[in-house]
Amino acid sequence: GQNIDQPTEMTATEGAIVQINCTYQTSGFNGLFWYQQHAGEAPTFLSYNVLDGLEEKGRFSSFLSRSKGYSYLLLKELQMKDSASYLCAVRDRTGGSYIPTFGRGTSLIVHP
Amino acid sequence: DAMVIQNPRYQVTQFGKPVTLSCSQTLNHNVMYWYQQKSSQAPKLLFHYYDKDFNNEADTPDNFQSRRPNTSFCFLDIRSPGLGDAAMYLCATSRDRGDNGYTFGSGTRLTVV
Repeated sequence: GQNIDQPTEMTATEGAIVQINCTYQTSGFNGLFWYQQHAGEAPTFLSYNVLDGLEEKGRFSSFLSRSKGYSYLLLKELQMKDSASYLCAVRDRTGGSYIPTFGRGTSLIVHP
Repeated sequence: DAMVIQNPRYQVTQFGKPVTLSCSQTLNHNVMYWYQQKSSQAPKLLFHYYDKDFNNEADTPDNFQSRRPNTSFCFLDIRSPGLGDAAMYLCATSRDRGDNGYTFGSGTRLTVV
């Protein structure tokens, strides 16, 4: 299985940049996902990385280093609506499952 | 809009009284998943259906069952809910097991009294 670690909580100021880290250990890495989850709502898909490097999508970017077992989600020009939990999920092809395992998420609080 | 719909949004049930949560999808996806998410914890996969093929996670309690009568619908049955089963239950779909990104429903928050 996977061992996924993310900080529990982070705070940042509106308009700033924040980086949310995720480290993982897995034997058959097959992709890493980031999801956003507002309180009481379902997760929504943000990004997917399977190769090393940076994927940029508007204000959000996601980075992956497979050799280090490390990813980060970068949020620029923070808005109040970005206050949410950010879930890192890792897919492992071992056993043919291909179903991601989620981390417990990082609660981001954006303040004025 | 094509989507994943869960009903009800909030469900209160009595300790030990069977309860069923429902999920429907208009995406025509092959795979449907049920996750349990407790407060400030990671979503935990309970089981999934690949078409009609049921796949139970090894640590899913026997108290939890699932049915998928057709492509569009999937049900989560909790036979005898305990206080520890209070959680958000999330249904998700994907076109295939290796698909990049799931579509989640809005979830059902279950309270056990």
